[in-house]
Amino acid sequence: NAGVTQTPKFQVLKTGQSMTLQCAQDMNHEYMSWYRQDPGMGLRLIHYSVGAGITDQGEVPNGYNVSRSTTEDFPLRLLSAAPSQTSVYFCASSRLNTGVDDEQYFGPGTRLTVT
Amino acid sequence: AQTVTQSQPEMSVQEAETVTLSCTYDTSESDYYLFWYKQPPSRQMILVIRQEAYKQQNATENRFSVNFQKAAKSFSLKISDSQLGDAAMYFCAYGADGLTFGKGTHLIIQP
Repeated sequence: NAGVTQTPKFQVLKTGQSMTLQCAQDMNHEYMSWYRQDPGMGLRLIHYSVGAGITDQGEVPNGYNVSRSTTEDFPLRLLSAAPSQTSVYFCASSRLNTGVDDEQYFGPGTRLTVT
Repeated sequence: AQTVTQSQPEMSVQEAETVTLSCTYDTSESDYYLFWYKQPPSRQMILVIRQEAYKQQNATENRFSVNFQKAAKSFSLKISDSQLGDAAMYFCAYGADGLTFGKGTHLIIQP
């Protein structure tokens, strides 16, 4: 199993550009989520999904969109990038659709810089 | 909203010694989960230990153990026989709707 994979590893965007961060898992996990990590901070939940076709907002959803058309994939879209979105982004998945009573497996992260 | 507080931005311990990392949290829920994650310089998030709030017994995983005080909303991590490979950022996390993380403690291991 590859686990949780994220692409790209690094990305530089200009203000106003759009892009999609890709996340995929091959463990047939129900729950998937996106976090951002800023310097001196822990991870903060952006969006999550408890199964295909179901998504919900986390703590910091503004400026981000998600969709979950398959169990395996959970892309994160930035529609109009802003410097405040400069961060490291982590995707995570877990077996149970509650997402919190089972181990969450994290991807390696994407470092995004918006200039 | 739940909050998680790690009051020690940085801790230093001699190799082979024991160190305790502190974590407190605030919640009105009675059923939840608590976690400690390790983040080495590689940036990978690694689960260290997990505690179910309904269990009174403290979780242990080899050299890692927790002191869970539900009434005090405290969840500290004890690392015994510290090793150089334990050097990392350690994050405490609360689980209910997604995970809420503390800001982390940077653990330094002195050889």
